[in-house]
Amino acid sequence: EAQVTQNPRYLITVTGKKLTVTCSQNMNHEYMSWYRQDPGLGLRQIYYSMNVEVTDKGDVPEGYKVSRKEKRNFPLILESPSPNQTSLYFCASSLSQGVNEQYFGPGTRLTVT
Amino acid sequence: AQSVTQLGSHVSVSEGALVLLRCNYSSSVPPYLFWYVQYPNQGLQLLLKYTSAATLVKGINGFEAEFKKSETSFHLTKPSAHMSDAAEYFCAVSDEWTGANNLFFGTGTRLTVIP
Repeated sequence: EAQVTQNPRYLITVTGKKLTVTCSQNMNHEYMSWYRQDPGLGLRQIYYSMNVEVTDKGDVPEGYKVSRKEKRNFPLILESPSPNQTSLYFCASSLSQGVNEQYFGPGTRLTVT
Repeated sequence: AQSVTQLGSHVSVSEGALVLLRCNYSSSVPPYLFWYVQYPNQGLQLLLKYTSAATLVKGINGFEAEFKKSETSFHLTKPSAHMSDAAEYFCAVSDEWTGANNLFFGTGTRLTVIP
């Protein structure tokens, strides 16, 4: 089954404790992206990647890092999480050429206390 | 820069009534426009997209949207609401200059369907 998977689905952590949210897709997509969803703000793009070893900032990159060492994986790293990063996070992927549907993962709900 | 405005953060309709969810966009170049749906505790799913072909776009689950350049609008409609349509709906815009895959989302409209 074609899908985007994220782990963990739920995470509660404390300020300053480094964490990684994994994202993996099995569709051989070149393009991958991370969004955060906050009430009243919709989805905002954090980082995106056009292909392996190619990443770029989205609208709200501060406090986040990403890497794209393999085509299928695009982990989101919070080196020193803060309470304002409490949010619902979505990973998405798509073919990079043309205007293609983005396939979204199920989401990771992160709470930073 | 592109942006999307969704009028009405909450919309309620009766089962069987017309669904109309409004989306206005701002873009300095021809846009690509999308509607996504998010069911509770799930990720987003594409309903339909406009990519400069036909201005009336038909999507899944009986939804359609019409691109109106003169009004900079891309409203989502469905003739008859079903209980299963209750969800949050997001309009999004991109264009080939900033990267067709880089979506800018609206703030969402939560649709409630009343039995």
